[in-house]
Amino acid sequence: QQQVRQSPQSLTVWEGETAILNCSYEDSTFDYFPWYWQFPRESPALLIAIRPVSNKKEDGRFTIFFNKREKKLSLHITDSQPGDSATYFCAAILSSGSWQLIFGSGTQLTVMP
Amino acid sequence: EAAVTQSPRNKVTVTGGNVTLSCRQTNSHNYMYWYRQDTGHGLRLIHYSYGAGNLQIGDVPDGYKATRTTQEDFFLLLELASPSQTSLYFCASSDPGQNYAEQFFGPGTRLTVL
Repeated sequence: QQQVRQSPQSLTVWEGETAILNCSYEDSTFDYFPWYWQFPRESPALLIAIRPVSNKKEDGRFTIFFNKREKKLSLHITDSQPGDSATYFCAAILSSGSWQLIFGSGTQLTVMP
Repeated sequence: EAAVTQSPRNKVTVTGGNVTLSCRQTNSHNYMYWYRQDTGHGLRLIHYSYGAGNLQIGDVPDGYKATRTTQEDFFLLLELASPSQTSLYFCASSDPGQNYAEQFFGPGTRLTVL
């Protein structure tokens, strides 16, 4: 059973556009939502994260929007750059449990110059 | 900076073979994890550990054993490798009390089972 779902599976945008990556989850007890990114032939790395006490988290061109009622979140990348081309994973953690990261299947983003 | 190393980086074995993947972290983290990454599935947790001698079962444990010998070292064992275990394997470590339980990943081991 997939507890964290991502869409679209792949996304192509032009340089300068805003890319929107979507994520939804099932377990309402999740309380940390990190996004990891992975460049080709590299390891995943933490990009940005949010806790449900907030509905928005911003870090430069990267913003997470969080809707607790609908159990949805999205990652917005403004002014997309070719260097942003990577696979983006939405994840969820239950902090009172095992601290296990539950990953979505990822969105492969390509930014065309 | 956090450091997680894995060996070997590439491994080819035959069906029924015996394989050990090694992971070492120098972050002084208590938690260590083994994942496999396959196209369309993202990262799936195989086993994880809270500390030396501890082992917890992840989401896809069948066919895998693991052992945490020290705080630094975590091993993944495939005793009868099958082609379905052909995958990219990542090890990670974390300190749950810090920065959204950020996990630091090793460079990965690509395993091919013929």
